[in-house]
Amino acid sequence: GAGVSQTPSNKVTEKGKYVELRCDPISGHTALYWYRQSLGQGPEFLIYFQGTGAADDSGLPNDRFFAVRPEGSVSTLKIQRTERGDSAVYLCASSLNGGLNTGELFFGEGSRLTVL
Amino acid sequence: GENVEQHPSTLSVQEGDSAVIKCTYSDSASNYFPWYKQELGKGPQLIIDIRSNVGEKKDQRIAVTLNKTAKHFSLHITETQPEDSAVYFCAASSPGSGNTGKLIFGQGTTLQVKP
Repeated sequence: GAGVSQTPSNKVTEKGKYVELRCDPISGHTALYWYRQSLGQGPEFLIYFQGTGAADDSGLPNDRFFAVRPEGSVSTLKIQRTERGDSAVYLCASSLNGGLNTGELFFGEGSRLTVL
Repeated sequence: GENVEQHPSTLSVQEGDSAVIKCTYSDSASNYFPWYKQELGKGPQLIIDIRSNVGEKKDQRIAVTLNKTAKHFSLHITETQPEDSAVYFCAASSPGSGNTGKLIFGQGTTLQVKP
């Protein structure tokens, strides 16, 4: 399909383990965002990529969270030493250009992370 | 930083009635206000947006109004249908973080349209 693809759709892990979540944005979209959505809440901004660089990582909660986008397309969100409080749906979104004149953000269906 | 408050948290209407969801924002420099619809197990999907140089925008049964002075914006859905049942989120741009297009979301409104 032509939409934003996220894998895995569900991930169950144990406290202390390392997790990687993958996002494949819409082809040609230079802007990529990661959001986190806890149950019953709105999406919470984590990080924004413009091309290969992280233009704004102010939403990452601590240094256990890291994201990369090495070729300006696919992005991976990495979480080290997972904690139960990391359990949430991690949403990826892309847009054509990003920035203050951004148009629509296209969201994936999310990766549901459960930390036991 | 920007803060967005959304009300009500739940809304139940009869099919054919109108539904109104309201949001307030804190950063007067915000200039972009989208509304997203999220169905169960799906990602949010944009339904309408408005920029700060416009007071109202309409798209078929959906309209959004913006009051910059009061820092309020609202979503209006007329002639509601059962398929409108979903969670709706308002959002505001966060210009304080620079030219990133970062959005701050409200807490969401669960809309139920009863047939």
